[in-house]
Amino acid sequence: AQKITQTQPGMFVQEKEAVTLDCTYDTSDPSYGLFWYKQPSSGEMIFLIYQGSYDQQNATEGRYSLNFQKARKSANLVISASQLGDSAMYFCAMREGPPGAAGNKLTFGGGTRVLVKP
Amino acid sequence: GAVVSQHPSRVICKSGTSVKIECRSLDFQATTMFWYRQFPKQSLMLMATSNEGSKATYEQGVEKDKFLINHASLTLSTLTVTSAHPEDSSFYICSASSSRVKNYGYTFGSGTRLTVV
Repeated sequence: AQKITQTQPGMFVQEKEAVTLDCTYDTSDPSYGLFWYKQPSSGEMIFLIYQGSYDQQNATEGRYSLNFQKARKSANLVISASQLGDSAMYFCAMREGPPGAAGNKLTFGGGTRVLVKP
Repeated sequence: GAVVSQHPSRVICKSGTSVKIECRSLDFQATTMFWYRQFPKQSLMLMATSNEGSKATYEQGVEKDKFLINHASLTLSTLTVTSAHPEDSSFYICSASSSRVKNYGYTFGSGTRLTVV
């Protein structure tokens, strides 16, 4: 079974509008972390936002917010006020196990390509 | 913050030759380095987990004799693609977790685009 699922292969969004990128995950570990990364065409992985499994509040980082619904095992990324520079691939990823534990790897979803239209 | 330097950023090699990719943690000690491969328009797939001073742990389906990983020090991990073939052409990227990153987040190298001709 897929551990991280991103069901939207590609999306168009109008500049200045908000966009929600879906991510669902599957784990039996009570301690885990969810990450969102942006990958522009250059290939670099840019960290956007993090949500820990025990965090009570939804994470926010500037224009990025994470809609964490633990019971549904979903961690959707919301980008508000889209900008042309937001056009990129976006990946949801999960770390199973507590932060800092040796060898904890990241598992990535398939990604969503976002294209912001002027 | 934690920085991982990855070199080369691009390499073109002839089929049958070997290519070495380096990842250096510049301002922290990376006990573990993760190596990913990414084909065009696809996601990052973990190839192996590199542990300082011990053998790497390879993911299922990854040929350990083809993708040699060395992690001889806490700041340097290398991936050598041996006897490269065109199907090995891909984007390779390394990553490490660090206490210097909030929530023990992961810092990534800038990636290496390998083209085998």
